[in-house]
Amino acid sequence: AQSVTQPDIHITVSEGASLELRCNYSYGATPYLFWYVQSPGQGLQLLLKYFSGDTLVQGIKGFEAEFKRSQSSFNLRKPSVHWSDAAEYFCAVGARGGGNKLTFGTGTQLKVEL
Amino acid sequence: NAGVTQTPKFRILKIGQSMTLQCTQDMNHNYMYWYRQDPGMGLKLIYYSVGAGITDKGEVPNGYNVSRSTTEDFPLRLELAAPSQTSVYFCASSYEKGRAYNSPLHFGNGTRLTVT
Repeated sequence: AQSVTQPDIHITVSEGASLELRCNYSYGATPYLFWYVQSPGQGLQLLLKYFSGDTLVQGIKGFEAEFKRSQSSFNLRKPSVHWSDAAEYFCAVGARGGGNKLTFGTGTQLKVEL
Repeated sequence: NAGVTQTPKFRILKIGQSMTLQCTQDMNHNYMYWYRQDPGMGLKLIYYSVGAGITDKGEVPNGYNVSRSTTEDFPLRLELAAPSQTSVYFCASSYEKGRAYNSPLHFGNGTRLTVT
């Protein structure tokens, strides 16, 4: 069975600082990997996805993530955080041809200090 | 383009009552899903559907039922509400064509349900 671990429950960064949110997955083959962001009271919005090909993927709002098969990781990064990035971030893994049944991590709450 | 629409946004139920959470999508997606979100637990899959007339259980289906009579609609039914069903419920949809293509999940804005 697939699983996702987000080891950091809360992260606080200063505005303008760089950000890295960690995600480790467990899956028997090459997975589909996603990062979603959730603002308070809202649904989840897709930031970026990895299906195949280039292991460094670019997303919306200046985010990027790198798929590292050897480390079973898919960490999310942003070079300079903006106050509006404060939200909860979820990593998710899906099986190819598996009905798109995503397994989500428990989320990382990002706080941005001005 | 409305995307995925969920109603109601909020609901308070008494123990033992029943209700239906509505979900509709206008993107002609073949797959639809119901997730519940509890604090610190991420999202757990309740039920999903790969097309009209076809539904299957997810990770936490107990206490819920679903139906998929049309491509657009995927209602979630709670028959005998229990406090453990207090949660935020998200409906989502996607398009999949075997292993050739998966679209990302598109989420609704959620229904916040309290059972007291």
